[in-house]
This record gives sequence, structure tokens and C-alpha cells, in this order.
Amino acid sequence: ELKVEQNPLFLSMQEGKNYTIYCNYSTTSDRLYWYRQDPGKSLESLFVLLSNGAVKQEGRLMASLDTKARLSTLHITAAVHDLSATYFCAAQVRYNFNKFYFGSGTKLNVKP
Amino acid sequence: EPEVTQTPSHQVTQMGQEVILRCVPISNHLYFYWYRQILGQKVEFLVSFYNNEISEKSEIFDDQFSVERPDGSNFTLKIRSTKLEDSAMYFCASSRQEDYEQYFGPGTRLTVT
Repeated sequence: ELKVEQNPLFLSMQEGKNYTIYCNYSTTSDRLYWYRQDPGKSLESLFVLLSNGAVKQEGRLMASLDTKARLSTLHITAAVHDLSATYFCAAQVRYNFNKFYFGSGTKLNVKP
Repeated sequence: EPEVTQTPSHQVTQMGQEVILRCVPISNHLYFYWYRQILGQKVEFLVSFYNNEISEKSEIFDDQFSVERPDGSNFTLKIRSTKLEDSAMYFCASSRQEDYEQYFGPGTRLTVT
């Protein structure tokens, strides 16, 4: 079974700072997704990474995928309070796209 | 933009009662999924469904659970006899093809008392 580990689980940072959330997964996966979840809300799709070396950016968030290292990162640049949320990565097992395996989530609190 | 919808948004039920959670996937999607998130924990896969049958299910999806696509639009999750530990947010998702991105609904919060 694919195991997905995120770290850190909690992240408290000041506005304007940079930080990176890490997502490691245990077996071969070519597909990695990042979601944002606000309290009591659904999962909002942020990035879909479908190949080794994929890098995508949206505003202050940038995601990358290294399939050889089985690692994806979500980098936050010059954080703002509005980015406060829980961020999940999810992976699919190669040749079995029936389900997502989610990480435990990183609860980000950006202090004004 | 098309989206997955779920009803009800919140369901409160007593232990031992049956509940049916409803989902309307995006209209041209063919693959449907249910996930569960216990408060404060990660999202867990329950079941995937394609061509009117279950493709895969997790250990959580025991005999108390069933899924159905009763008509061309709805996709339901039934819990036959709810337990306290079934209290969670249940998310429905759908995808156009198996290897396409899954789109999540807003969730149904199930509270079992």
C-alpha cells in the first residue's frame, strides 16, 4: 500500500516569510496532487503534478515533483494570512488510479 | 463550471440507524468515489465505482456500507447501522477517466449520537 507522509504537520509562520511543506511517498507514483482545505470545508484542488520534474506555480505557492526521490514539495513565498489552511498532498499508485492516498495534512497558520 | 454536489450538508442520526448520503457527480464523469475524513485526521479512501460496480474498496468499507447509482445522476453511500465511529465528513468525488484528476464535493458531515 502506498504511504504518504507530510511534514511538518503544523506550521506557524509570520507573514512575509518563506517555507516549504514536504510530501514523501513510499512506492512508485507518477501523480501527485495538492489540495487546500479550510476548516469545515471541502478540498480545493491546487496543483496536479503528472511527471518527474513537474513544477507548477500559482501566486505565492509553487509545487514540484521528484519521482526518483518520491518527494513533492509545496513552497510558500512571502506568506500572507489568507494562506492559513490545511494543505494535503495525495498520490496515486502507478497502474491503479482508483484511489488517492492522502498525507496527514499540514496545518498552516500565518500570523499577521 | 460543473461541480460535484452532495446532500445533505449535515446529517445527525442515532446509533444503529441507517443513513443514505447522496452525491451528484459531474455529468460526463464515469468514475465515482467516496472518501471519509474523521475530524482532524486525514482523508481516507472508502470505495471507487465504475460501470455500475465497485472497482475497489478499502478495509473501512465493510458489510455495513454499500454504494449505488440508482439513476443516471445520483451516487449514494448507505451505512446500514451507524456506529459512533462513523461520525466523520464524507466526501464524494468523480473523475472523467480513471487516471484523471478527481473532483471533490463539499462533503456531508455525519454525526452519530
